[in-house]
Amino acid sequence: DSGVTQTPKHLITATGQRVTLRCSPRSGDLSVYWYQQSLDQGLQFLIQYYNGEERAKGNILERFSAQQFPDLHSELNLSSLELGDSALYFCASSVDPREAIAGELFFGEGSRLTVL
Amino acid sequence: AQRVTQPEKLLSVFKGAPVELKCNYSYSGSPELFWYVQYSRQRLQLLLRHISRESIKGFTADLNKGETSFHLKKPFAQEEDSAMYYCALRSWGKLQFGSGTQVVVTP
Repeated sequence: DSGVTQTPKHLITATGQRVTLRCSPRSGDLSVYWYQQSLDQGLQFLIQYYNGEERAKGNILERFSAQQFPDLHSELNLSSLELGDSALYFCASSVDPREAIAGELFFGEGSRLTVL
Repeated sequence: AQRVTQPEKLLSVFKGAPVELKCNYSYSGSPELFWYVQYSRQRLQLLLRHISRESIKGFTADLNKGETSFHLKKPFAQEEDSAMYYCALRSWGKLQFGSGTQVVVTP
């Protein structure tokens, strides 16, 4: 499958802990986006990277951080976890947000985080 | 500030009936709007974009700048249209989603 892949699919951890979610974009896509989906909030944009550089920032908490590596995969680090961080975290990728066909994001299946 | 509003959390319709999902936006510039869909056990995927003026799976959406709306419509709903639908606005490269509307089509 050459689509967006995310690991792990499921993760259960305790409050106060730290986790890392990983995302591999589609082959050839330079831009990676992270979204948080919780029951009450819908899909919330967290952060975007383009070719290793941070491009846009949304409602990302200071306890959260992300980066995009030279091989274009991305990691989202969540620390000092709270119960309210339990959510589905989606990664998406696109070729280049500046291109005319931009706007089409290709999504992964998500990583479901449960904080107990 | 940019905002996308989908006022309906759940829309239940009968097969063969028309369906309309509402989407309103607030944006100071020229908007780029999209509809995404997530079928059960599938990934979120693009359904259509306003710039293409296309009809996908019988769905159409017209951008109304006067009413700042981008409602999604289909004249005859099918059971396979049951899914979660998200309206999205693109600004500064990022895609901002509405809260989504769950559509349930019953036979």
